[in-house]
Formats: sequence, structure tokens, C-alpha cells
Amino acid sequence: AQSVTQLGSHVSVSEGALVLLRCNYSSSVPPYLFWYVQYPNQGLQLLLKYTTGATLVKGINGFEAEFKKSETSFHLTKPSAHMSDAAEYFCAVSDFGATNKLIFGTGTLLAVQP
Amino acid sequence: ETGVTQTPRHLVMGMTNKKSLKCEQHLGHNAMYWYKQSAKKPLELMFVYSLEERVENNSVPSRFSPECPNSSHLFLHLHTLQPEDSALYLCASSQASGTGELFFGEGSRLTVL
Repeated sequence: AQSVTQLGSHVSVSEGALVLLRCNYSSSVPPYLFWYVQYPNQGLQLLLKYTTGATLVKGINGFEAEFKKSETSFHLTKPSAHMSDAAEYFCAVSDFGATNKLIFGTGTLLAVQP
Repeated sequence: ETGVTQTPRHLVMGMTNKKSLKCEQHLGHNAMYWYKQSAKKPLELMFVYSLEERVENNSVPSRFSPECPNSSHLFLHLHTLQPEDSALYLCASSQASGTGELFFGEGSRLTVL
């Protein structure tokens, strides 16, 4: 069965610093992987996704993630944090079972300090 | 309108009330989902509809009753709820045979008094 682990429920960085949010997955088949962002009292918005092809995926708002099969990881990065990046971030993997759904991690709350 | 629209955005109800949450998608998708998001808990998948047929029900109490009259609309009927049912309820849609990518609405914030 597919699963996702996000290391660190809270991450704090300074404005302008590197953002690194960690995600490891478990999948019995080649995975499709996603990162979503959620701002307070809003729904989840897709940041980026990996399905096939290039392992370095670029998304919105300057974020990118790299699929590393050998490490079963899909970490999210951004070179320079902005105050507006403060939000909760969810990693997810597709579950190709009877229902085509996403399995979500528990989320990482990113705080950006001025 | 585009995307996934949820109404109402905020709802306060007593434990004996009956209310409904509505979700509408304008993306031409054929699968729809209800998720529950409580404070300090992971996202909980409640129901999945694919081609208007309920294909997943994750042990959700019967006081939550979903309805999917067509591929564009999804309802969650609520009755005799408990205070612990207070949460953000998120609707999402996708292509049933796609990558699994979900498109979410803004959510309905429910408070049960």
C-alpha cells in the first residue's frame, strides 16, 4: 500500500533563507507524487507534481521538488523564503487501487520569520 | 465560474439541526471526494464518488450522508452532529482514470454547538 511520511510537523526559516520540506514515500508501483499548499481557512492548492519524465519538477511560487527513487524521497525546496510562503504543505502519493485517490502526509507548517 | 465551489463557507449548527454542504465542480471531472480536516489531525478521506457511484466510504458515521446527483454536484447532508464533528470539510474532484491529482474547493468551516 502507498504511504507518505513528512518529517517535521513545524519548520521555521528566516525570510530569504532556503526552504526544505521533507517527504518520503512508500509505493509498490512507480509513484505519482504531489505537493499541495494550504493557506489558513482555504482549500489545498497544487504546487507541483511528478508523474513520469524529468525528476526535477518545478512548480508555482518558485518551489521545486526532486524525485529520488533510490532514497524514496520527494523533498520540496525553494531557494529564498518569502513571508507569503507561510502556510501548511502536504505531500501526497497516488493510490492506484479500486479508487484512484491520493494518500496525504500529515502536513508541515512552515513559518517564515522576518 | 471555474474550479470547485463549496457553499456555505461557514456554518454554525446545533446538535439537533439538519443542514447540507454543497460542492460544484466546473472542470468536467467524473470523480468527487469529501475530506474532513480537523485541527492537529491528518486529512481524513470520507467518501469517494466515481461516475456518480459511491465507491468508498471510510467508516463514516451515519449522521453524515453524501449525495451525488450528477458528476458536477456533491452534497454532504448533516444531521444530529456532535461537537467533535466541527472541522473544515473539503470537497475535491478529479478525473477517475487520471493521475489522481485532486482539485480542491475552499472548504466549508463547520461549527457544531
